[in-house]
Amino acid sequence: DAGITQSPRHKVTETGTPVTLRCHQTENHRYMYWYRQDPGHGLRLIHYSYGVKDTDKGEVSDGYSVSRSKTEDFLLTLESATSSQTSVYFCAISARGDTQYFGPGTRLTVL
Amino acid sequence: EDQVTQSPEALRLQEGESSSLNCSYTVSGLRGLFWYRQDPGKGPEFLFTLYSAGEEKEKERLKATLTKKESFLHITAPKPEDSATYLCAVQQGGSEKLVFGKGTKLTVNP
Repeated sequence: DAGITQSPRHKVTETGTPVTLRCHQTENHRYMYWYRQDPGHGLRLIHYSYGVKDTDKGEVSDGYSVSRSKTEDFLLTLESATSSQTSVYFCAISARGDTQYFGPGTRLTVL
Repeated sequence: EDQVTQSPEALRLQEGESSSLNCSYTVSGLRGLFWYRQDPGKGPEFLFTLYSAGEEKEKERLKATLTKKESFLHITAPKPEDSATYLCAVQQGGSEKLVFGKGTKLTVNP
């Protein structure tokens, strides 16, 4: 398995609270991605990073921000969580920006 | 806009009953087509990358093929442990992003 960990693995929070999810890799891959997976929608890209401090938006970026201050860590922040952000969140890494390897996921519930 | 359509949405097979999953795509200049397997409660697991029409790749009971419009994942003599959701994704030339289909849920009964 690729060296990817996500934390926390499960989180329950309330509407309006800030939430930060962490993705950590030990592979020294350049690219890192955040996806959400919802029934009926499949995997959708939120944001991705192509290097330290270099990020770009994906398909469903509204309400989310990201930061990457070190190669190994990519943070996803929900500034003010809403119930529509209840989902399973996956981090992925890629060495060359093609084949991606996924982490175990974080299940987030916003009440 | 890149699109990926997987069919069928769900497939139920008996152990040993071979079949194929389909991934149809529209993309401007294909950089790569990817197959993943996802078990319940887990992250997608990489299976194959195909780069050009005519290319084939195999792994155990799985064989992936690619044409200019679609890819097939052939499953030969499946076993119950092959039960999972299989995801297809495409990447446009010059892009660092993948676009995923909604997946095919495969159930193999003993």
